[in-house]
Amino acid sequence: DTGVSQDPRHKITKRGQNVTFRCDPISEHNRLYWYRQTLGQGPEFLTYFQNEAQLEKSRLLSDRFSAERPKGSFSTLEIQRTEQGDSAMYLCASSAQGPGDEQYFGPGTRLTVT
Amino acid sequence: LAKTTQPISMDSYEGQEVNITCSHNNIATNDYITWYQQFPSQGPRFIIQGYKTKVTNEVASLFIPADRKSSTLSLPRVSLSDTAVYYCLVGDASRRALTFGSGTRLQVQP
Repeated sequence: DTGVSQDPRHKITKRGQNVTFRCDPISEHNRLYWYRQTLGQGPEFLTYFQNEAQLEKSRLLSDRFSAERPKGSFSTLEIQRTEQGDSAMYLCASSAQGPGDEQYFGPGTRLTVT
Repeated sequence: LAKTTQPISMDSYEGQEVNITCSHNNIATNDYITWYQQFPSQGPRFIIQGYKTKVTNEVASLFIPADRKSSTLSLPRVSLSDTAVYYCLVGDASRRALTFGSGTRLQVQP
């Protein structure tokens, strides 16, 4: 399968714990994005990488959130000291460098904070 | 960013043509119109993108009038598997972040 993959697909954690999600983009894509989606709403942009450089971050990305993309390949999104409001689907997408910038989304990681 | 307005939900029957209209009154000159489809527990999937007039691919058609203040996604002969949420997005192609609204929930009945 050459699509975007995310791991884990589901994560249940207790409030205050740290969690880390992984995204593997399509291999030839140099752009990678993280979005968050809550029930009944469209995805909200969190951050964007071009290769290993994090070029844009949303105001939604509080100090408890950090994202990395070492070597410009896979990416990780870490949430520290989780809160119940962090419960959501975390989506990763990737795109090639070119006009139109069609983004290919992964299946997401559903986080539940209890 | 241009704000988009689309119906919250629509119902249709198998075999019918479905047209979902999106309003974007303050669309900018450099903005493109893009539609994504999302099934439950999956990430969104690109359907079609256009700038003006009409664009057609193997999945859908996109109609954009001359003033570009609205656009219509047309799905020919829908099937049960077209039941999904459809998002209309408007933005500069050079901007990386996609801005999704709440989308239109299409329910296709047998």
